[in-house]
Amino acid sequence: GNSVTQMEGPVTLSEEAFLTINCTYTATGYPSLFWYVQYPGEGLQLLLKATKADDKGSNKGFEATYRKETTSFHLEKGSVQVSDSAVYFCARHGSSNTGKLIFGQGTTLQVKP
Amino acid sequence: EAQVTQNPRYLITVTGKKLTVTCSQNMNHEYMSWYRQDPGLGLRQIYYSMNVEVTDKGDVPEGYKVSRKEKRNFPLILESPSPNQTSLYFCASSLSNWNEQFFGPGTRLTVL
Repeated sequence: GNSVTQMEGPVTLSEEAFLTINCTYTATGYPSLFWYVQYPGEGLQLLLKATKADDKGSNKGFEATYRKETTSFHLEKGSVQVSDSAVYFCARHGSSNTGKLIFGQGTTLQVKP
Repeated sequence: EAQVTQNPRYLITVTGKKLTVTCSQNMNHEYMSWYRQDPGLGLRQIYYSMNVEVTDKGDVPEGYKVSRKEKRNFPLILESPSPNQTSLYFCASSLSNWNEQFFGPGTRLTVL
């Protein structure tokens, strides 16, 4: 099938802790992969992306590497801040010409001071 | 500023009362989509449009209509809303099928 699976939340961390949010996907071929972030009360913003295998997307201290062997795109950050508290969505392009993104269910991150 | 705008941001209505949620983008994007976000389900595509006068169903189109008379606008129409359409709705646009999507701020709809 075509799906994206994220680790369930909520994830609660202390400031400066290391963050990993797991994401795996199923697809035929090698779709582009994305992480979007949704801050409270706002729409989704693109956080980072990778368009082919072994690409590493990075932004604002977050990183994710496109691993075709494990069909994964895990999000990591070395030292989280309170301002990183948000909902994080992993997504991949749909395989047809629909302009569709297929999203995971979202993972809520709460960072405490 | 490049952006996708939606109106209204919040709406409470009653079953059966027709409503329209507007969406507009100023980036001259070809593709536009509507998604709904529900807890535990992520975002699911309702309808999409590849260009003016070209629209098609997404994964959850039942109970919704769209139109694309101008490139910048892509309204979502609920002819007869029902409580199961209570959700958070997002409009998105992209330059092409394979480019990143830009999202609007969302419209929280409650149908009583």
